[in-house]
Amino acid sequence: QKEVEQNSGPLSVPEGAIASLNCTYSDRGSQSFFWYRQYSGKSPELIMSIYSNGDKEDGRFTAQLNKASQYVSLLIRDSQPSDSATYLCAVNKNNFNKFYFGSGTKLNVKP
Amino acid sequence: GAVVSQHPSRVICKSGTSVKIECRSLDFQATTMFWYRQFPKQSLMLMATSNEGSKATYEQGVEKDKFLINHASLTLSTLTVTSAHPEDSSFYICSASRDLQPQHFGDGTRLSIL
Repeated sequence: QKEVEQNSGPLSVPEGAIASLNCTYSDRGSQSFFWYRQYSGKSPELIMSIYSNGDKEDGRFTAQLNKASQYVSLLIRDSQPSDSATYLCAVNKNNFNKFYFGSGTKLNVKP
Repeated sequence: GAVVSQHPSRVICKSGTSVKIECRSLDFQATTMFWYRQFPKQSLMLMATSNEGSKATYEQGVEKDKFLINHASLTLSTLTVTSAHPEDSSFYICSASRDLQPQHFGDGTRLSIL
């Protein structure tokens, strides 16, 4: 079983819709959770970090964490074509030496 | 936000050449730096984790004598690809982190070995 699992997609949504990206993790001891966006040919950039159960909002992005169910999700409201990228979920197990990345979900936002 | 500088951004060289890539955290002291490799349309693959002043921890299947990592200070780590061959051509990305804070990535180095 992989430490962090994501559906590879592609996930296609029309412009203006809500995109919902999901991620599950295997270790209940995980403490820190991150979402990164990676455009083709570029390195990942941090979008959101979340550390406690519930929702965390930042502009059009909302991260949701449910430790009991071991999933973390990212909602993108009013999706734009510029949001088209691969979204990586990352988990840290309370050990600053070890981050686990999912393989990423490719999002296509159609104009 | 945190800034990580990676240099060079692109390298094209002949087979057998050794290539050094630098990774610097510009506005924070990184307790840990990470080196990744990514082939086209594939996911990030962690190569090694390095802490300042200690030996790097390599992932299974990554040759430590081939990929030399030096983390001499809290703001600088280097990756040297020794005697590079065409199969080493890839996108190499470093990242830096402090304690439990998120990793911040450099812009990556595209390495092409002819």
